[in-house]
Amino acid sequence: GENVEQHPSTLSVQEGDSAVIKCTYSDSASNYFPWYKQELGKRPQLIIDIRSNVGEKKDQRIAVTLNKTAKHFSLHITETQPEDSAVYFCAAGGNTPLVFGKGTRLSVIA
Amino acid sequence: NAGVTQTPKFRVLKTGQSMTLLCAQDMNHEYMYWYRQDPGMGLRLIHYSVGEGTTAKGEVPDGYNVSRLKKQNFLLGLESAAPSQTSVYFCASSWLQSYEQYFGPGTRLTVT
Repeated sequence: GENVEQHPSTLSVQEGDSAVIKCTYSDSASNYFPWYKQELGKRPQLIIDIRSNVGEKKDQRIAVTLNKTAKHFSLHITETQPEDSAVYFCAAGGNTPLVFGKGTRLSVIA
Repeated sequence: NAGVTQTPKFRVLKTGQSMTLLCAQDMNHEYMYWYRQDPGMGLRLIHYSVGEGTTAKGEVPDGYNVSRLKKQNFLLGLESAAPSQTSVYFCASSWLQSYEQYFGPGTRLTVT
């Protein structure tokens, strides 16, 4: 089955700096790669996703890149703000149920 | 639209007791999922359903049962609760497996 590894588990950045979170997956049949943000005590919410026929996708300060050959994808947040502080989860799947990474706790220091 | 709702929000059980968690969605989604979230473990899939009347095992199904008698509802049952089942449980739904999952607010379950 699918296995998703996510790094780092914690990340601290200064406000205004960029943050990068990386994930690797094992199943070459996976074709859908979403990223979820979970604020403390809240439900996970989708922030961006990418499909296997696309290499990069951007939405304002957030971007995701996908390297199918290497089986890894990354989340990039630019110009970080305190409200970006949360836990971020990557996931992989599509043909089979999503498998989530263990999460990255991002802290943006003002 | 209420989206995805879960009942109850909190519950405390004694070891060996049983309970049912209810998930409801009003988006006419085919797929529904139950996850558990433990510190440092991410979201792990317990069971899922690809449509009314269907269920399938996920990554951590032992100790849980599910039913999907109506398209809008997905029930998660614990027949004999154990302390290892102390967790936050999230329900989610999606149109297809390769589309956005919408999560409910979660149920915090403590088994003593």
